Order: sequence, then structure tokens, then C-alpha cells
Amino acid sequence: GQQLNQSPQSMFIQEGEDVSMNCTSSSIFNTWLWYKQDPGEGPVLLIALYKAGELTSNGRLTAQFGITRKDSFLNISASIPSDVGIYFCAGINAGNMLTFGGGTRLMVKP
Amino acid sequence: SQTIHQWPATLVQPVGSPLSLECTVEGTSNPNLYWYRQAAGRGLQLLFYSVGIGQISSEVPQNLSASRPQDRQFILSSKKLLLSDSGFYLCAWRQRLKFYGYTFGSGTRLTVV
Repeated sequence: GQQLNQSPQSMFIQEGEDVSMNCTSSSIFNTWLWYKQDPGEGPVLLIALYKAGELTSNGRLTAQFGITRKDSFLNISASIPSDVGIYFCAGINAGNMLTFGGGTRLMVKP
Repeated sequence: SQTIHQWPATLVQPVGSPLSLECTVEGTSNPNLYWYRQAAGRGLQLLFYSVGIGQISSEVPQNLSASRPQDRQFILSSKKLLLSDSGFYLCAWRQRLKFYGYTFGSGTRLTVV
């Protein structure tokens, strides 16, 4: 099946710093999604990207749909303690099937 | 507005016992419904999805089954639980015609002992 490689797997970040994470695939996706999961909760959709090259922001979060349609990145600016959690990318292919990346665990030092 | 309900939130079951997890969606009709499992600290694995009443597709052969007896109800079951069935189970839905992303329930933490 399709694979999404998400990196980094985990990271510590100093409060106030910016953080970047990305997902890459050998396959093309028509839609990219970014989710955040808090401990013991279901993932919550942060940003959805529908067109190649699209750059979308949601508060301190910015995500882009790669031109090749095989990658996407998420940036978080000025991180705060509540940014802690696991961030998942997900891609939807032409068959409308959703594939998740392995997640990036973000830990913020207060 | 649409909401998704999943219960129970936590469950501890002995090996060999049956399982029934329920998920319901409100505020929409004809949703696509999904069951995912997440092992500790890992990504999400699609178990089943349904595009309509009585229509179930299985992604991974295993000890579990799913049913959709009503349009907005999705049930995950097992006749005999295994230790390896422990995990965090998530139900999700999406609109079939207009796509606004997948919305997840709050999850069920299942521990098989």
C-alpha cells in the first residue's frame, strides 16, 4: 500500500521557537491533511490542502501542499506548551483512500 | 452541526471475552464511516470502512469485525478478544459528496488482560 514518511518522529522544542515537520511519499495525493492528537483523544483536523502549491495558515500553523503532490510540510511558529502532542499528516489519493504518516511527537520545554 | 460519539472511553476485558464498541454520527446523513486502531505511540491503522448500511470493507484480516446496522451507526466487534487486540480504537466519518476532512471520535482505550 501507499506509504507516507513523516519526519521527524519526535522533537523537543524550546518555547517560542518555530518548528517544522514534513511528509513525503512516492505516490501522488490529491489532498493533504494535518491533524493534531492530544493524549487520550482522537486526532483533530488542523489544516486541509486541496491543490498543489497551496499554502494555508491556521493561526500559528502554516502548511503547504507540495508542487509534485508527493509531499507536504507543517510549520508551527512561536511554539507554546499547549502545542505538545502528536502531529499526523495524511494524504488522500484518487481512490479517496486516506493514508496516515507515522506521526511527529512534539514536546516543548517550558 | 455534526458530531461523532464513541463509547465506551475505556474498557478492560479478559482474553476470550466478546467486544462491542459503538460509534454514532449526528447531524449528517450517508456518511462514510471508518474504524482505526492505534498502538501506543504509533500511527493509525485502518481496520474497516463503510460507505452505506450493511456495506463493510475490511483492510486488515484479524480477529475483529464491523457492522453498520443503521446509516449513522458503526459497530466494532469481536467474538473472542486476544491480547494483541489491545490498543486505542478510533471511529471517524467523512461526508461522501463534499469533502471537508475526516472527523474523529474521542477514542476507546481497550486493554485486554
